[in-house]
Amino acid sequence: AQSVTQPDIHITVSEGASLELRCNYSYGATPYLFWYVQSPGQGLQLLLKYFSGDTLVQGIKGFEAEFKRSQSSFNLRKPSVHWSDAAEYFCAVGAGLTGGGNKLTFGTGTQLKVEL
Amino acid sequence: EAEVAQSPRYKITEKSQAVAFWCDPISGHATLYWYRQILGQGPELLVQFQDESVVDDSQLPKDRFSAERLKGVDSTLKIQPAELGDSAMYLCASSLEDGRDTEAFFGQGTRLTVV
Repeated sequence: AQSVTQPDIHITVSEGASLELRCNYSYGATPYLFWYVQSPGQGLQLLLKYFSGDTLVQGIKGFEAEFKRSQSSFNLRKPSVHWSDAAEYFCAVGAGLTGGGNKLTFGTGTQLKVEL
Repeated sequence: EAEVAQSPRYKITEKSQAVAFWCDPISGHATLYWYRQILGQGPELLVQFQDESVVDDSQLPKDRFSAERLKGVDSTLKIQPAELGDSAMYLCASSLEDGRDTEAFFGQGTRLTVV
């Protein structure tokens, strides 16, 4: 069965500093990988996704993520954080070519706090 | 911009009562998902529909939960009777189809509190 681990429950960064949120996955086949952001009391917004091809994926709001098969990782990065980036971030893995690409297994999330 | 609509946004119910949530997916989206998100955790899939058919309900507690999508458009998730442990955010998502190049769009969710 697929699983996702986000080892950092909370992260605090200063505005303007760089950010990296960690994500490790477990899946037997080629994974579909996603990063979502959730503001308090809101639904989930897709930041970026990886299906195949270039392992460095660009997303919205200046975020990027790098797929590293050898490390089973899909870490999210942003070079300069803005106060509006404070939210909860979820990494997710979807079932692969066997179907269910959007049937997602989520990590437990990382709460990002931005200090002004 | 098209979005997934959910209602109500918030619901407080007493233990042992029945409660229902409604979801209207983006027009034309064949695949619909219901997720449950307990506070402090990531969402967990409860049920997946393809048109009006259930594709996966393996994680749905069928003794008290039911879901339907009668005409393959909007969907209802019901809990009867509600228990304290059902307090959570219930998220609906839809996608054009269940495939690799389609994105799942999430609604704003229904926050359920069971007292």
